[in-house]
Amino acid sequence: GIQVEQSPPDLILQEGANSTLRCNFSDSVNNLQWFHQNPWGQLINLFYIPSGTKQNGRLSATTVATERYSLLYISSSQTTDSGVYFCAVGSLGSGGYNKLIFGAGTRLAVHP
Amino acid sequence: AAGVIQSPRHLIKEKRETATLKCYPIPRHDTVYWYQQGPGQDPQFLISFYEKMQSDKGSIPDRFSAQQFSDYHSELNMSSLELGDSALYFCASSLEGRATIHEQYFGPGTRLTVT
Repeated sequence: GIQVEQSPPDLILQEGANSTLRCNFSDSVNNLQWFHQNPWGQLINLFYIPSGTKQNGRLSATTVATERYSLLYISSSQTTDSGVYFCAVGSLGSGGYNKLIFGAGTRLAVHP
Repeated sequence: AAGVIQSPRHLIKEKRETATLKCYPIPRHDTVYWYQQGPGQDPQFLISFYEKMQSDKGSIPDRFSAQQFSDYHSELNMSSLELGDSALYFCASSLEGRATIHEQYFGPGTRLTVT
């Protein structure tokens, strides 16, 4: 099956700093999503980005499908950005359906 | 916009009891997925349904079963609960069918604690 690797596993930032999170995957995908899991456990959709570049406020993401990686950029980080960031990928399996395979996540702590 | 609804949000059960988790997908979504997230782990796929038929299966224990009903809501039934079943259970929904966008939307999760 598809392997998903995220780096770094842990990241500590001062408020206002910028960061880049990386997601490598081992096969072609038709779905790639970035999530933020907040301290209450909720998984918040950040981006659906199987290819290309998207931006949403201080966050942006780029997926280079041909090279099998995706990057999540966080600019001007805030304490509320703390939590775990997951990359998850999906491909159409033999059944034609699209379960997500998650990476192990990047645990981000933003200090004031 | 309507989101995925899960109930209950929290559930405490004793070993060997049964539990039923419910999921109400986003209206008009045709596919439901269940994921299990243990403490400190990433979410793991359990099972999915497309148009009320089981479409894919992951590492779901035989003690667990699930179904999708005619109104598209889904239930995950868990029997003979074990301490290791304590986890956060997510339901997600998407519009597959002929869709070209396969984004999954996650519910808030049900936190199951087995004592």
